[in-house]
Amino acid sequence: GEDVEQSLFLSVREGDSSVINCTYTDSSSTYLYWYKQEPGAGLQLLTYIFSNMDMKQDQRLTVLLNKKDKHLSLRIADTQTGDSAIYFCAESGTYNQGGKLIFGQGTELSVKP
Amino acid sequence: DTGVSQDPRHKITKRGQNVTFRCDPISEHNRLYWYRQTLGQGPEFLTYFQNEAQLEKSRLLSDRFSAERPKGSFSTLEIQRTEQGDSAMYLCASSRSGGAGETQYFGPGTRLLVL
Repeated sequence: GEDVEQSLFLSVREGDSSVINCTYTDSSSTYLYWYKQEPGAGLQLLTYIFSNMDMKQDQRLTVLLNKKDKHLSLRIADTQTGDSAIYFCAESGTYNQGGKLIFGQGTELSVKP
Repeated sequence: DTGVSQDPRHKITKRGQNVTFRCDPISEHNRLYWYRQTLGQGPEFLTYFQNEAQLEKSRLLSDRFSAERPKGSFSTLEIQRTEQGDSAMYLCASSRSGGAGETQYFGPGTRLLVL
């Protein structure tokens, strides 16, 4: 079945780079997403990557996709205390699955000053 | 574009009571999704609508749960005879089908506590 896994915690110093990793099982996934959730809030879309790409850069964010290994990563450059949140990786299935998202458990990023 | 809104933001109820949540999607979005998120977990898909048609329901959605989207705009999610295990954050998302990278935009969620 479909499954998405992430490490649960990551702690970095302000100004360092953060790398959050994710593995998924559904090779038919069309798009892969990164969402950010702050305490008590909904999910904020950060970025997404199409499955035929291997890299996407968006300001401080870099997404790398290794489709062979089904591994996705999110790199945040110059991490700030405001980046402290839970980050979710999600995959969407093929079109006939209606675009529902399968989420990982989330990685809690703690940024220390 | 005012984003996805949900009401209420918080709900406390006693076991056995019925509750109803409302979601207003982004106006031009034809797809609407409901997810449930428990503490320490990622959101889990419950159901989705394309316009007014409910096209898929997860096996998580027991017969105590019902969702509607009568005119293809806002949606309601009702839970009958609530149980303590229903305590969770209920998230709504909307999207426009057919575009590249169909992105789902989430509302702030309704946090339900069943006592």
